[in-house]
Amino acid sequence: GIQVEQSPPDLILQEGANSTLRCNFSDSVNNLQWFHQNPWGQLINLFYIPSGTKQNGRLSATTVATERYSLLYISSSQTTDSGVYFCAVELDDYKLSFGAGTTVTVRA
Amino acid sequence: SAVISQKPSRDICQRGTSLTIQCQVDSQVTMMFWYRQQPGQSLTLIATANQGSEATYESGFVIDKFPISRPNLTFSTLTVSNMSPEDSSIYLCSVDGGSGYEQFFGPGTRLTVL
Repeated sequence: GIQVEQSPPDLILQEGANSTLRCNFSDSVNNLQWFHQNPWGQLINLFYIPSGTKQNGRLSATTVATERYSLLYISSSQTTDSGVYFCAVELDDYKLSFGAGTTVTVRA
Repeated sequence: SAVISQKPSRDICQRGTSLTIQCQVDSQVTMMFWYRQQPGQSLTLIATANQGSEATYESGFVIDKFPISRPNLTFSTLTVSNMSPEDSSIYLCSVDGGSGYEQFFGPGTRLTVL
C-alpha cells in the first residue's frame, strides 16, 4: 500500500518562531488533507490541497503532486498551535491513509 | 462543513463486554467511515459504513469484532465486541461528501478497557 511519511516526528518551537512540516507519499493520490489534532483529540481540518498553495492566516500549505510531497508552514507560532499535525492522502473510494504525525510543542 | 456528533464521548469498560458508539451527522452524506487511533499512534481505517448494505472492512479488522450499521445517510454505529485492554483507543467517525469534498471527523470516543 501507499506509504505516507511525515517529518520531523517532533518539533519544539519558541513562541513566535516559524516552521515547516513535510509530508512525502509514495504513489499518486487523489487528494491530500492536513489536520491538527488538539490536546482533546479533536481533528481540525486545516487544508484540503491536492495541488498548489493555500493560505489561512498564519498557516499555509503547498502540495507538489508530481513530486509527491506536501509542506505545511506555520508562521509566528503560538502556544495554541501545539498538538499533532497529520497529513492524510486520499486513496480510491475516498479512504484516507494517514502519516504518523508531527508533534509540535510551542513554548511561551 | 458537516456537523458530526458521537456518543458516548468517553467510556471505561470491563474486559469481555461490548460498547456501541453512535455517529450522527447533521446532513445526508455519501460516505461514512470509522477510524481507530491507538494511544500515541496515528489513525487507521477500520471500515467504510455502507448505507443499506454490509460494511467494507480493511485488512486486520473483522465484522465479528467491529460490527457496523448504517441505516440511513445521517447515522452509523460501531460496536466494539468482546473488548480487551488492547481495544483501548479513540474511535472516530468521518464523513466525505464525495469527489472534490474534504473529509470531516467527529469529536471521537475515548475508550478505556480495564
